[in-house]
Amino acid sequence: DGGITQSPKYLFRKEGQNVTLSCEQNLNHDAMYWYRQDPGQGLRLIYYSQIVNDFQKGDIAEGYSVSREKKESFPLTVTSAQKNPTAFYLCASSTRDRTPLRRTDTQYFGPGTRLTVL
Amino acid sequence: AQSVAQPEDQVNVAEGNPLTVKCTYSVSGNPYLFWYVQYPNRGLQFLLKYITGDNLVKGSYGFEAEFNKSQTSFHLKKPSALVSDSALYFCAVRAVSGSARQLTFGSGTQLTVLP
Repeated sequence: DGGITQSPKYLFRKEGQNVTLSCEQNLNHDAMYWYRQDPGQGLRLIYYSQIVNDFQKGDIAEGYSVSREKKESFPLTVTSAQKNPTAFYLCASSTRDRTPLRRTDTQYFGPGTRLTVL
Repeated sequence: AQSVAQPEDQVNVAEGNPLTVKCTYSVSGNPYLFWYVQYPNRGLQFLLKYITGDNLVKGSYGFEAEFNKSQTSFHLKKPSALVSDSALYFCAVRAVSGSARQLTFGSGTQLTVLP
């Protein structure tokens, strides 16, 4: 997980509340990502950001919002509009690998935040 | 659109035996392929990747993967399994061409190594 931190590790939310999940990286990576993991479904992309002050929706952006004001930080807000927010949330970052003619953008992941709605 | 299939939800193998975790993919053009491992309540750890060249890729902890373009497969292998290899394994793909950096992940395979 080294270099990418997520907090808190566990988070409990009451219905109707917004909550913000923190993701910080000290790897000097340009791109950052948020995924949601549900049992048996693998990882699904929520939002991603390739540079500061820019981000794009992933496959399941509804009910979520993000910001990218600093290169090292990419917080995710789970809003009350997200109907089923209980899940494991993973943040990742990547930079372009220095392989001649190839840029694989290997993603490295944080330890995750488990969100439970009460 | 790109996709990944991991046809086995669960793989059981005895300690010391070889293991294989299967992955097939679909992508436009040439692929970049990745394997990650996840231990309970942890993030994903990068194991290995295929970029180009040699079809047999060696990675961390003694794992390797074989790229087969004709079968669009990228199976993960290890010659001798350890109990500590028990974890959830994910295969991922992205296209070489195009500006997007998104990975598409498979649904995961739970590997259990029995002592």
